[in-house]
Amino acid sequence: AAGVIQSPRHLIKEKRETATLKCYPIPRHDTVYWYQQGPGQDPQFLISFYEKMQSDKGSIPDRFSAQQFSDYHSELNMSSLELGDSALYFCASSLVTTWTYTQYFGPGTRLTVL
Amino acid sequence: KQEVTQIPAALSVPEGENLVLNCSFTDSAIYNLQWFRQDPGKGLTSLLLIQSSQREQTSGRLNASLDKSSGRSTLYIAASQPGDSATYLCAVSGNTGKLIFGQGTTLQVKP
Repeated sequence: AAGVIQSPRHLIKEKRETATLKCYPIPRHDTVYWYQQGPGQDPQFLISFYEKMQSDKGSIPDRFSAQQFSDYHSELNMSSLELGDSALYFCASSLVTTWTYTQYFGPGTRLTVL
Repeated sequence: KQEVTQIPAALSVPEGENLVLNCSFTDSAIYNLQWFRQDPGKGLTSLLLIQSSQREQTSGRLNASLDKSSGRSTLYIAASQPGDSATYLCAVSGNTGKLIFGQGTTLQVKP
């Protein structure tokens, strides 16, 4: 079965640079969630989109922005990167109309800021 | 504000033991509760999801229970195996679907 695809899997950036993370949800899933997991920490919710509209927002820095496109893939744009942005970034997708909100997670993108 | 707590933070057991991981949450107005497994540096694998109207779910050697009124869930692992060694995360969601995670229980099963 198709799973959530994230790219790139690993990314190394310098401070103050920009990064773009991509997420391709499971086909026919209508909702995408982004989470950030710092070293030794639990995942923290950043932002979600339902049918290409932002549906909820968590502790996402103003330096970050995200959107969901017409083909339902999503991109997380991160500017003015800081050392503290080094983390695993997970994308998850779900099909809201099933009313279960079961979230299926991608393998994550490991971002390292030097 | 919803807070999720998992006890214990770490657990080491000999192979073959049955064990229970605990999860508690402060706001009982949840939509569902999910248990995940995470291997070091890897992604999250969903193990079980319990809807707020359900009491338990079972999958193989895993059984998860939910007592929404008391804000508690348990994950029971029967006949533990070394391959079960991982971090187990509990997460609850509200009606927007976003998950709030506990800090996890790191399990080590010794051969």
